[in-house]
Amino acid sequence: KQEVTQIPAALSVPEGENLVLNCSFTDSAIYNLQWFRQDPGKGLTSLLLIQSSQREQTSGRLNASLDKSSGRSTLYIAASQPGDSATYLCAVRGGGSYIPTFGRGTSLIVHP
Amino acid sequence: GAVVSQHPSRVICKSGTSVKIECRSLDFQATTMFWYRQFPKKSLMLMATSNEGSKATYEQGVEKDKFLINHASLTLSTLTVTSAHPEDSSFYICSALRTGGRDTEAFFGQGTRLTVV
Repeated sequence: KQEVTQIPAALSVPEGENLVLNCSFTDSAIYNLQWFRQDPGKGLTSLLLIQSSQREQTSGRLNASLDKSSGRSTLYIAASQPGDSATYLCAVRGGGSYIPTFGRGTSLIVHP
Repeated sequence: GAVVSQHPSRVICKSGTSVKIECRSLDFQATTMFWYRQFPKKSLMLMATSNEGSKATYEQGVEKDKFLINHASLTLSTLTVTSAHPEDSSFYICSALRTGGRDTEAFFGQGTRLTVV
């Protein structure tokens, strides 16, 4: 059974810092990995989707990498802003299933 | 990106009544939709997988008679919480799977905050 772990669980940083959020998974036979953002009381917004054949994806200040062999993905946020404050969730979709397994998320606070 | 609309965003109901939550994929057809429940400070718990035109597949421990799922069309799935109790109060989120093309990607609704009083 796939297990997804996100570290750290919570992070508080001053504005402008570059951040790295970590996601690890136990079964490397994945179909893809997706990073989401969730604002309090809201649904999930997809940030980046990495297929199993890819090593990274970039969107603006966000960069996500994938190392299947080690079961790890990182989300890099450059020049963090207060508007980046949210919970970031990592979801892994297994090789034989479209059902994603979610980590518990990293709660990020960026203070001015 | 694709849009998934979930309605209502908030609902308060009395114990014993039923509540229906709708999930619509607005600009794509979704054969498969997922329903999740999220507890405070916890990750998303998959409740069931909804497939258009067939019965939903429920995860272990989820009461199918309490959480009725209907996926009657390629753009609409509904979750009905029957005979609601205060312990059913939670945040429910739906997801629609967009397939075809190069990538298969899940898109999420904005969630429904259910409070049972």
